[in-house]
Amino acid sequence: DAGVTQSPTHLIKTRGQQVTLRCSPKSGHDTVSWYQQALGQGPQFIFQYYEEEERQRGNFPDRFSGHQFPNYSSELNVNALLLGDSALYLCASSLVGRGPETQYFGPGTRLLVL
Amino acid sequence: DQQVKQNSPSLSVQEGRISILNCDYTNSMFDYFLWYKKYPAEGPTFLISISSIKDKNEDGRFTVFLNKSAKHLSLHIVPSQPGDSAVYFCAASASSGGSYIPTFGRGTSLIVHP
Repeated sequence: DAGVTQSPTHLIKTRGQQVTLRCSPKSGHDTVSWYQQALGQGPQFIFQYYEEEERQRGNFPDRFSGHQFPNYSSELNVNALLLGDSALYLCASSLVGRGPETQYFGPGTRLLVL
Repeated sequence: DQQVKQNSPSLSVQEGRISILNCDYTNSMFDYFLWYKKYPAEGPTFLISISSIKDKNEDGRFTVFLNKSAKHLSLHIVPSQPGDSAVYFCAASASSGGSYIPTFGRGTSLIVHP
């Protein structure tokens, strides 16, 4: 049983560009959450998707958007990249309505913005 | 404004001794607390949790203590093993509204020396 997978593992972009990160949830999970972990910080919640809709959103600007597909996989899009967007982006999957201890995290995508 | 604080960026202990990792929180709405462990190049993995109705939860070598009046929790690892070397994140969530989105601290890097 594959866990949460993310692609790509690493990515380098320049300021102003756009980026798309991908996540496949653990088998059987229907909810996907995205987190940003900047250097020296803990993961910060970006948003959560369930039934192809954004259910909750953290304190992130509209440059951050997402999508969930019918197979529960998800994408995170970031437009107009800033240097401060350099971080590890983590995807976590779970079953709707379950507690946070049921979240499984992927290994992350490390984004560097130059 | 950090709602979950881990004031020790790092901790070094000898194999076989006790490791104590501390965490403070400020939001009185938090009623569920978790500890995650993170190895390099991997996502965080859930370790142990505690509800605000309890003051202690034990799972093998890991025990979490909660002091609600002080808004403080700690993770005890006894005995510590070299394989415990990792970054430990404290997280807290508020169950009201069924959110379950955890707020993370910055993490404490634990090094267990053989």
